[in-house]
Amino acid sequence: EIVLTQSPATLSLSPGERATLSCKASQSVSSSLAWYQQKPGQAPRLLIYDASNRATGIPARFSGSGSGTDFTLTISSLEPEDFAVYYCQHRSSWPPTFGQGTKVEIK
Amino acid sequence: EVQLVESGGGLVQPGGSLRLSCAASGFTLSRKWVHWVRQVPGKGPVWVSRLNADGTSTNYADAVKGRFTISRDDAKNTLHLQMNSLRAEDTAVYYCASASGSGWWPDCWGQGTLVTVSS
Repeated sequence: EIVLTQSPATLSLSPGERATLSCKASQSVSSSLAWYQQKPGQAPRLLIYDASNRATGIPARFSGSGSGTDFTLTISSLEPEDFAVYYCQHRSSWPPTFGQGTKVEIK
Repeated sequence: EVQLVESGGGLVQPGGSLRLSCAASGFTLSRKWVHWVRQVPGKGPVWVSRLNADGTSTNYADAVKGRFTISRDDAKNTLHLQMNSLRAEDTAVYYCASASGSGWWPDCWGQGTLVTVSS
């Protein structure tokens, strides 16, 4: 099973600041990686798939990069609605696994 | 509006069974990759099962293999998860998810249904 390790666990930022989230895979997942946003009491929401493609309706301030074992989710300028938990997830092999999450909180 | 709505969760005793359903509206589940994912409150999501687009292949997490069965009813545009021999560790919120288009990645998720296994 591929393990995804996210860092940092918590990111304390102010609205308007740039957020950079990291996800490292225990072995190569090529570009088969996605990022999700989850708010309390809600289902995960797909933001980025195949490492760098924005899902339908996702604002341009969200971008993804990376391949192999190292991936980054960048939020260029945080909006109030962006404070949430973010998960990376691979689909390179079964089972697809999620990282443990990064909480982006208001500073 | 593209939507998935789950039902069937609840309280069940250890060893019991439940059948979760996930009704789609605004799009068809036929020929889509469909998935069940569960999440213990406060923890990260965990993939439970998936069914491929043409219905010929399924996968299950080791923790549920032999106990859970995923299926899709194209006539009713509904996804199911039959859960047998339930254990306390199966307690979680269960989400159904689907790609709304032709890809693999699930961009449409249900609201979740809570399954509690307890005596």
